[in-house]
Amino acid sequence: ETGVTQTPRHLVMGMTNKKSLKCEQHLGHNAMYWYKQSAKKPLELMFVYSLEERVENNSVPSRFSPECPNSSHLFLHLHTLQPEDSALYLCASSLSGDQPQHFGDGTRLSIL
Amino acid sequence: QQQVKQSPQSLIVQKGGISIINCAYENTAFDYFPWYQQFPGKGPALLIAIRPDVSEKKEGRFTISFNKSAKQFSLHIMDSQPGDSATYFCAASIAGNFGNEKLTFGTGTRLTIIP
Repeated sequence: ETGVTQTPRHLVMGMTNKKSLKCEQHLGHNAMYWYKQSAKKPLELMFVYSLEERVENNSVPSRFSPECPNSSHLFLHLHTLQPEDSALYLCASSLSGDQPQHFGDGTRLSIL
Repeated sequence: QQQVKQSPQSLIVQKGGISIINCAYENTAFDYFPWYQQFPGKGPALLIAIRPDVSEKKEGRFTISFNKSAKQFSLHIMDSQPGDSATYFCAASIAGNFGNEKLTFGTGTRLTIIP
């Protein structure tokens, strides 16, 4: 059972749609992350929030917009996505410092 | 770009055998090396991790071997069981102001244990 919950688990959307992915953690962590997982590629770190401030943005296209309203919630707002954006999007959380990251089970995103 | 190279891409091992997955890195500033296990439909879960001040760490049937001079580390699974069938990812990071947040992952190894 994971302490990091992601919704929805599956999402199919057209290229002109706007949708949001949600992540919630109940572990008392103060850092949260978005990763993209594509087949046969390494997990790609997209965004890092520490103490609700964005501290990392790995050259992610602006069609992905993160939001961290508090230390327990993280959103990824999606708009005008491309077919190559189809992937598994994983959220993770940790305590800043010398602590491991805990992952959610991901949202499988398909762009038509 | 910082990379961690992982091999093999897939591995089939007989039940009871030893599974070995290898990773190599370039950045000598990396100082934290975790391994993650991922089952289908699930997110990665931390399995075991090592820092470069030791050459080996063992937890149950899982062992990390670390060779700092060769910039390589490996995961050994002893007495492999069908329940170990999963995808395994190595990773590396640099401890800094944000600790282990910036993980660089390998491409993964799909391990299948056959009876």
